[in-house]
Amino acid sequence: RKEVEQDPGPFNVPEGATVAFNCTYSNSASQSFFWYRQDCRKEPKLLMSVYSSGNEDGRFTAQLNRASQYISLLIRDSKLSDSATYLCAVTRNQAGTALIFGKGTTLSVSS
Amino acid sequence: GAVVSQHPSRVICKSGTSVKIECRSLDFQATTMFWYRQFPKQSLMLMATSNEGSKATYEQGVEKDKFLINHASLTLSTLTVTSAHPEDSSFYICSARAFTGGSTDTQYFGPGTRLTVL
Repeated sequence: RKEVEQDPGPFNVPEGATVAFNCTYSNSASQSFFWYRQDCRKEPKLLMSVYSSGNEDGRFTAQLNRASQYISLLIRDSKLSDSATYLCAVTRNQAGTALIFGKGTTLSVSS
Repeated sequence: GAVVSQHPSRVICKSGTSVKIECRSLDFQATTMFWYRQFPKQSLMLMATSNEGSKATYEQGVEKDKFLINHASLTLSTLTVTSAHPEDSSFYICSARAFTGGSTDTQYFGPGTRLTVL
């Protein structure tokens, strides 16, 4: 089983749609969780950290379910500029260690 | 946010040559830096963890004699791809950990180096 798994998509949605991505991780000792956005041929950019209590940043909401070992990202009111690949990342064990990335989920928002 | 630079951004070289990639944290000190590699349509794969003043820790399957890592200062880590071959062509990205004393220290990524070996 891979350490971090994501549905690669692509997710093709119209502007204004709500879209959700899930990610599962295998190591129950992982402590920190993140969503990154990566545009074509660029480095990943931190979108948001993910906490057990859930957190929201504008149109983006992230959730963590430790019992089931999955994290989710919800994007509301999709914009054309949201088109990108979304990577979930978890620390291997204690916080501060290297990030292990999923393969990424590709989102394409069309007008 | 913190800034991490990489140099060069793109390099094309002949098979058999060595290529050095620099990763610098510009406005913070990074005791730990990480090197990743990303093949087209694949995820970022961790290659090694680089700690200032000590030997790097390599991931399973990554040849330490081929991918030489040096982290001589708190702001600079280098990755040297020795005797590069076409299969080493990839996008190499470093990240630096900005220690804030909290439990979720943020990692900042460099812009990446695209290596093409002919």
